Amino acid sequence: DTGVSQDPRHKITKRGQNVTFRCDPISEHNRLYWYRQTLGQGPEFLTYFQNEAQLEKSRLLSDRFSAERPKGSFSTLEIQRTEQGDSAMYLCASSSGQTAYEQYFGPGTRLTVT
Amino acid sequence: AQSVTQLDSQVPVFEEAPVELRCNYSSSVSVYLFWYVQYPNQGLQLLLKYLSGSTLVKSINGFEAEFNKSQTSFHLRKPSVHISDTAEYFCAVSLSGNTGKLIFGQGTTLQVKP
Repeated sequence: DTGVSQDPRHKITKRGQNVTFRCDPISEHNRLYWYRQTLGQGPEFLTYFQNEAQLEKSRLLSDRFSAERPKGSFSTLEIQRTEQGDSAMYLCASSSGQTAYEQYFGPGTRLTVT
Repeated sequence: AQSVTQLDSQVPVFEEAPVELRCNYSSSVSVYLFWYVQYPNQGLQLLLKYLSGSTLVKSINGFEAEFNKSQTSFHLRKPSVHISDTAEYFCAVSLSGNTGKLIFGQGTTLQVKP
């Protein structure tokens, strides 16, 4: 399978703990996006990378959230001191420079904060 | 700021009946328009897109959408639905010439009944 993969698929954590999610984009894609989707809502943009550079961050991304994309390949999204309001599905998507507007989504990581 | 409104949260319809899922957007600049579909327990998949050219775009499985600039709409239609079309449908916009980040509507659940 050469699609976008995310790990883990599910994460249950206690409030106050730190969590890290990983996204592996389609190998030739240089653009990578993170979105967050809560129940009954559409995905909301969090952040965008072009290669290893983080070029845009949403105001939704508080200082407890940090994302990296070392070497322009996989990306990680870390949430520090999790809160119950962080419970959501975290989606990763990638696209190529030629077809930047065709984003391919991974299956998502469902985070539950208890 | 850009926004997307999907006017119906749920659309129940009988198999082989026609369906229309409505989408309106708000933007002061040119946008690209998309419909994504999310089948149960699966990730988001691009269904169709409008970037430029013909305002009527079609998918391989019989859906079509028409870009109406004057009404700022991008409604999705299918003349005859199947049970397998049961899914969540998301309308999204992206600013032309921008990072490619997507702004999604709230989603419409299409429930096809036998």
